[in-house]
Amino acid sequence: KAGVTQTPRYLIKTRGQQVTLSCSPISGHRSVSWYQQTPGQGLQFLFEYFSETQRNKGNFPGRFSGRQFSNSRSEMNVSTLELGDSALYLCASSYQGVYEQYFGPGTRLTVT
Amino acid sequence: DQQVKQNSPSLSVQEGRISILNCDYTNSMFDYFLWYKKYPAEGPTFLISISSIKDKNEDGRFTVFLNKSAKHLSLHIVPSQPGDSAVYFCAASEITGRNAGNNRKLIWGLGTSLAVNP
Repeated sequence: KAGVTQTPRYLIKTRGQQVTLSCSPISGHRSVSWYQQTPGQGLQFLFEYFSETQRNKGNFPGRFSGRQFSNSRSEMNVSTLELGDSALYLCASSYQGVYEQYFGPGTRLTVT
Repeated sequence: DQQVKQNSPSLSVQEGRISILNCDYTNSMFDYFLWYKKYPAEGPTFLISISSIKDKNEDGRFTVFLNKSAKHLSLHIVPSQPGDSAVYFCAASEITGRNAGNNRKLIWGLGTSLAVNP
């Protein structure tokens, strides 16, 4: 079974721009969660989508948004990028919620 | 304030010996705990989990112990192998809504980097 894929793997953006990251979950998984990983803060939960609906949300500003399509693929958008948004963004899929999530390799975003 | 704490940023053990990774939490509402392993340039990989109704769960070389009164859990790896060298994350979950299966989110520790020396 193919794993979770994330595109692109690396991104360099300028402050003020916006960015869209993509995640394709494991086939059959309906839950997709997004995390931000930084050295000082560890993994911070952004949001979870299940069957195209946002089911849970972390404590991030409204500049961070996401969506899920009918095929369970998910996108995350960050608008008006700030230097502090530089991080590894991880996507995880599971059949049901947070139990035994399977992670993709992440997208490394650098904001200059 | 970190609700899940892994107080040892790094740990070094000899091959064949036991590795013990520790995790403390502050939220008494956490009722499900997971350990993940992460290699460089890869996403975390699920290792083992434990529900708060248990105090021990074992899977091969990996055992997780939960001490609810102390709000402490630990991951034991026996015997340790060089391939176990990775960053280990502890994560905890609580129910955030009425539907226990659907309304949960994970709170993660900062990780412990384990080095197993041949």
